[in-house]
Amino acid sequence: GAVVSQHPSRVICKSGTSVKIECRSLDFQATTMFWYRQFPKQSLMLMATSNEGSKATYEQGVEKDKFLINHASLTLSTLTVTSAHPEDSSFYICSASQGGGNQPQHFGDGTRLSIL
Amino acid sequence: AQSVTQPDIHITVSEGASLELRCNYSYGATPYLFWYVQSPGQGLQLLLKYFSGDTLVQGIKGFEAEFKRSQSSFNLRKPSVHWSDAAEYFCAVGEYQAGTALIFGKGTTLSVSS
Repeated sequence: GAVVSQHPSRVICKSGTSVKIECRSLDFQATTMFWYRQFPKQSLMLMATSNEGSKATYEQGVEKDKFLINHASLTLSTLTVTSAHPEDSSFYICSASQGGGNQPQHFGDGTRLSIL
Repeated sequence: AQSVTQPDIHITVSEGASLELRCNYSYGATPYLFWYVQSPGQGLQLLLKYFSGDTLVQGIKGFEAEFKRSQSSFNLRKPSVHWSDAAEYFCAVGEYQAGTALIFGKGTTLSVSS
């Protein structure tokens, strides 16, 4: 089945650091990938839609200069949290679809980001 | 507005008992419906999906869900719950095409008692 790999699974770093999270589709090509954020005991909230070869589309309220998204190839999207602060601590999850109307989104295992 | 409502925040069932998790949606187009399960600190695993056809869909791990258009519902069921089913369950809705994100409900936490 379709596999989405997300790395790293956990990051702990100091305030002011920039952190990069990778999302890879291992056995399929994904023109579009999605980045979600999940606060403790909350649902997943869409942050942005990552499009291969073009700029990402951000949801209202998400700072594009804070959360940089690059979709360099059909199998890789990266999310960089720039100058991270404690309020950026959260669980970040990516997803990708194989394409076609009947293909569900497959999710990575998520990245737990903790900013001290 | 498009939304997904999971009325039950937390449900506890005895092992071996039946389970039903409720999901109601509001969606302008024909909905593409999903149930995902999330274990603590993990990503999401797809249990089942529905777009058209038989309104009773079978998924993995013995789960099934029934789509009821008149009630805008897509409830998840399992006849006999196992302790390993304890997790967070999310109902989601999207469009039947690639390149569109999903809208998630707030989730239901399932606890299983022995």
